[in-house]
Amino acid sequence: SQQGEEDPQALSIQEGENATMNCSYKTSINNLQWYRQNSGRGLVHLILIRSNEREKHSGRLRVTLDTSKKSSSLLITASRAADTASYFCATVPRMDSSYKLIFGSGTRLLVRP
Amino acid sequence: DSGVTQTPKHLITATGQRVTLRCSPRSGDLSVYWYQQSLDQGLQFLIQYYNGEERAKGNILERFSAQQFPDLHSELNLSSLELGDSALYFCASSVASAPQGGELFFGEGSRLTVL
Repeated sequence: SQQGEEDPQALSIQEGENATMNCSYKTSINNLQWYRQNSGRGLVHLILIRSNEREKHSGRLRVTLDTSKKSSSLLITASRAADTASYFCATVPRMDSSYKLIFGSGTRLLVRP
Repeated sequence: DSGVTQTPKHLITATGQRVTLRCSPRSGDLSVYWYQQSLDQGLQFLIQYYNGEERAKGNILERFSAQQFPDLHSELNLSSLELGDSALYFCASSVASAPQGGELFFGEGSRLTVL
């Protein structure tokens, strides 16, 4: 079963605009990670935020985490056509001996030139 | 290039057959993870190994099995293949013993088509 659900499922924006993707999850977590996948390619890690962190930045990426609402958001600022990809959140549930990184269903981002 | 190598890249086979997918992790990574990605099921965690030992199991069918060898490469065996097994199979590796320790590095996947 999916632990995380991304919203929206698909997003189309103009180059230069900001893109915001949201992720909701069901159980308490150790950390939450965001990955990017170009069509038919392998996933690439973008950023990891731990359960005791609220916000993290990496270049044009900003991730927030609200553990009380069990949600996270990924903001891509000043988007480029090359940002077109699917974006997934993934969580490590805080359970006994849990070693699973469970992915959400993903948001497909299209950045129009 | 993530440093994770998967072979073969593409595989076409018939129902009822058996295939083996191979994964070489990044140099120094002891953990190997297998994921299945299909259009209707999304990314499903199958199994994780750490230094040769099975650490976690997900939605892996009994027809599927995996192992990690002493040189740390891993193989995923899929048998009695069905049409629904057609998917992209990813291997990932990490230096940590568990995903809470850090990021996973993914290979480019093996695309399996069952006819």
